[in-house]
Amino acid sequence: DAGVIQSPRHEVTEMGQEVTLRCKPISGHDYLFWYRQTMMRGLELLIYFNNNVPIDDSGMPEDRFSAKMPNASFSTLKIQPSEPRDSAVYFCASSLVGNNSPLHFGNGTRLTVT
Amino acid sequence: GENVEQHPSTLSVQEGDSAVIKCTYSDSASNYFPWYKQELGKGPQLIIDIRSNVGEKKDQRIAVTLNKTAKHFSLHITETQPEDSAVYFCAVSLRGGSQGNLIFGKGTKLSVKP
Repeated sequence: DAGVIQSPRHEVTEMGQEVTLRCKPISGHDYLFWYRQTMMRGLELLIYFNNNVPIDDSGMPEDRFSAKMPNASFSTLKIQPSEPRDSAVYFCASSLVGNNSPLHFGNGTRLTVT
Repeated sequence: GENVEQHPSTLSVQEGDSAVIKCTYSDSASNYFPWYKQELGKGPQLIIDIRSNVGEKKDQRIAVTLNKTAKHFSLHITETQPEDSAVYFCAVSLRGGSQGNLIFGKGTKLSVKP
């Protein structure tokens, strides 16, 4: 099992540019989550999907953020336009359905917006 | 909403000593309490979890205790080793939420000195 795969590992972009982060969940997992990690705010849930359908996006900070899951093996998190305060590590995680299924995190994308 | 406090923020111990990290939460309906370990450059990884119908759970050198009345739970690591050095996060599930509706503590950076 390759685990949750995120790309790119690092992204440096200028303010105002569009940024797209990608995630491939573990095959067979029904849930997919996007988290953001910063020193100030820690780990924050942005949005999660169940069977490709967005269930809760209340953590998405602004309309500049959007997420899609076109199929069970791929999800994107897009920021347009990006701002310096979006700089953070973004994690994707997946899990099976059921209360005994832990979250499996990817290794994250470190985003720097200058 | 749920609030999770984690202490201490940093912890330094000698190899072989024990380490204890504590978390408190506010929502008495929370019923799932996992602990994650995050190594540098990687995503958090589940190391142990406990549910509200259990007071203590142990897995080799790691144990978690839960006091639902006081709304706090703790991670205990015995016989610490240098490879235990990492950032540890506690988390709490929201009332009725799925595995992913987790509220994370701010983390504890554990350093084990050889």
